[in-house]
Amino acid sequence: GAVVSQHPSRVICKSGTSVKIECRSLDFQATTMFWYRQFPKQSLMLMATSNEGSKATYEQGVEKDKFLINHASLTLSTLTVTSAHPEDSSFYICSARLGYSQTQYFGPGTRLLVL
Amino acid sequence: RKEVEQDPGPFNVPEGATVAFNCTYSNSASQSFFWYRQDCRKEPKLLMSVYSSGNEDGRFTAQLNRASQYISLLIRDSKLSDSATYLCVVREGNAGKSTFGDGTTLTVKP
Repeated sequence: GAVVSQHPSRVICKSGTSVKIECRSLDFQATTMFWYRQFPKQSLMLMATSNEGSKATYEQGVEKDKFLINHASLTLSTLTVTSAHPEDSSFYICSARLGYSQTQYFGPGTRLLVL
Repeated sequence: RKEVEQDPGPFNVPEGATVAFNCTYSNSASQSFFWYRQDCRKEPKLLMSVYSSGNEDGRFTAQLNRASQYISLLIRDSKLSDSATYLCVVREGNAGKSTFGDGTTLTVKP
């Protein structure tokens, strides 16, 4: 079946540094990828929708200059958390959709801890 | 009011029990409905889609009531491995974004 990978799975960084998270669809071309954030005991909150070759669409309240998204190819989207702060510590999960198929596949997530 | 609301639980049930989760949504334009399962510190995984006529997959039965904007998930003969958080997901059309409920936590005990 379709698989989505994320790298790294876990990252610990100092406050002020930037962190890049990669999301890859391994055996299908994803025209649309989604980036979510999940805080403990809360549900997934959509941060942005990324379409290959175009600018990402950010949800209200998500700073596009802080969370840079690049969807350079049909199999790769990246999220860069710039100048990370402790409040950015969270579980970041990407998701890819195969065309307009209803099925949405999730990556295994990246745990970010900012000290 | 949240777009998708679920009873957070936790639901603590013995093995073999039947348990039901409810979910309500506020966006009447919603067209697609799903139940996902999320294990602790893992990503969500699709459990089943929810169809208007109701659908069953083994021990799991999903129901949709569009008039009441209500979705349910019934788990029969609970197993220890069913312990997880169950997320209700609502999507506005095929290409629309998905909105997740906060999830209902189930713990099945021996």
